Amino acid sequence: KNQVEQSPQSLIILEGKNCTLQCNYTVSPFSNLRWYKQDTGRGPVSLTIMTFSENTKSNGRYTATLDADTKQSSLHITASQLSDSASYICVVRNGEGGKSTFGDGTTLTVKP
Amino acid sequence: GAVVSQHPSRVICKSGTSVKIECRSLDFQATTMFWYRQFPKQSLMLMATSNEGSKATYEQGVEKDKFLINHASLTLSTLTVTSAHPEDSSFYICSATGSSYEQYFGPGTRLTVT
Repeated sequence: KNQVEQSPQSLIILEGKNCTLQCNYTVSPFSNLRWYKQDTGRGPVSLTIMTFSENTKSNGRYTATLDADTKQSSLHITASQLSDSASYICVVRNGEGGKSTFGDGTTLTVKP
Repeated sequence: GAVVSQHPSRVICKSGTSVKIECRSLDFQATTMFWYRQFPKQSLMLMATSNEGSKATYEQGVEKDKFLINHASLTLSTLTVTSAHPEDSSFYICSATGSSYEQYFGPGTRLTVT
């Protein structure tokens, strides 16, 4: 069964600190992995999209890594800001049929 | 990046009435559109996938006669919640894909059924 598990479920950090969110998946065959940021009451916004051959991809203060062998991905946020408070969702697309499996998300709260 | 819009952003309706939500891809042709619903503090749940010009494919447990989806053009898909009831109150989000891997999400529609 294709699954995407994210950890931690929630995280509270102080402004300016770094944090790393985890995503483990069992989706096979693999097509791509995407990280989204979803603010409360808004639709998800794409942060990064990674294919099989990509190990690291950055988007400003966000850096995603992918280990396709262990089926793990991480999203590292550097120098967190209050506006980073949101839900971060990991989505993995299946290479057969193209169906996407969503993780339950990690709720990040950045406090001043 | 590509833009997907939804209208309305929020709607309040009385039980028993029908509500239509529009999803538009503004600067690209969306060959596939997806409809999701999201309950508070939960992740998105896929309701159906629609390809332009063909019938939508509904996920298990989603009533196709209750949630009518029309994808009449490459830039517009609509979701109609028929005979809405309070338990249909939720956050509905559409997304669209074109020729790339990217899946672009709309801003969502908050439906409240009284």
